[in-house]
Amino acid sequence: GAVVSQHPSWVICKSGTSVKIECRSLDFQATTMFWYRQFPKQSLMLMATSNEGSKATYEQGVEKDKFLINHASLTLSTLTVTSAHPEDSSFYICSARATTRSSYNEQFFGPGTRLTVL
Amino acid sequence: AQSVAQPEDQVNVAEGNPLTVKCTYSVSGNPYLFWYVQYPNRGLQFLLKYITGDNLVKGSYGFEAEFNKSQTSFHLKKPSALVSDSALYFCAVSPTGFQKLVFGTGTRLLVSP
Repeated sequence: GAVVSQHPSWVICKSGTSVKIECRSLDFQATTMFWYRQFPKQSLMLMATSNEGSKATYEQGVEKDKFLINHASLTLSTLTVTSAHPEDSSFYICSARATTRSSYNEQFFGPGTRLTVL
Repeated sequence: AQSVAQPEDQVNVAEGNPLTVKCTYSVSGNPYLFWYVQYPNRGLQFLLKYITGDNLVKGSYGFEAEFNKSQTSFHLKKPSALVSDSALYFCAVSPTGFQKLVFGTGTRLLVSP
């Protein structure tokens, strides 16, 4: 099956620093990747849709200057949390959308990245 | 607007008994429906999906779900629960031709020995 990886799996940083999270589709190409945020005991909230070679589309209420998304290749999207603050602490999950005939429109999820901002 | 409702925050069932996790949806057009499972501090694992065809969909780990268009429901079921099935379950909908997945709030399944 399609595999999506995330790196790092967890990160602790100081307030004010920036953190980059990578999302890779390992065995398929993904023109579209999605970034979600999950608070404890809550559902996944879509933050943005990342399209290869173009600007990301952010959901309402998500600060695009704070959560920088780059989708430079068909297998890699990055989310950079700039000037992180404790309220940015969360579980960030990415997914990659497959466009093969057998998996059309299906999203495959990464294992998530736990961000803790001190 | 698309939405998914999971009316139960938690479902408790004894091992060996059948389980049902409920999901209803609201979407225009013909939806793609999904069930995912999440274990602690892990990403989502795909269980099953309904795109078209038979209303009863069989998925991973013995789970199945029944698409009911008239009731706009897509309940997840398993004939005999295992303790290892204890996890957080999410129902999601993707409107036809639309990229985004809209998730329900999740249902915690607790299977007791």
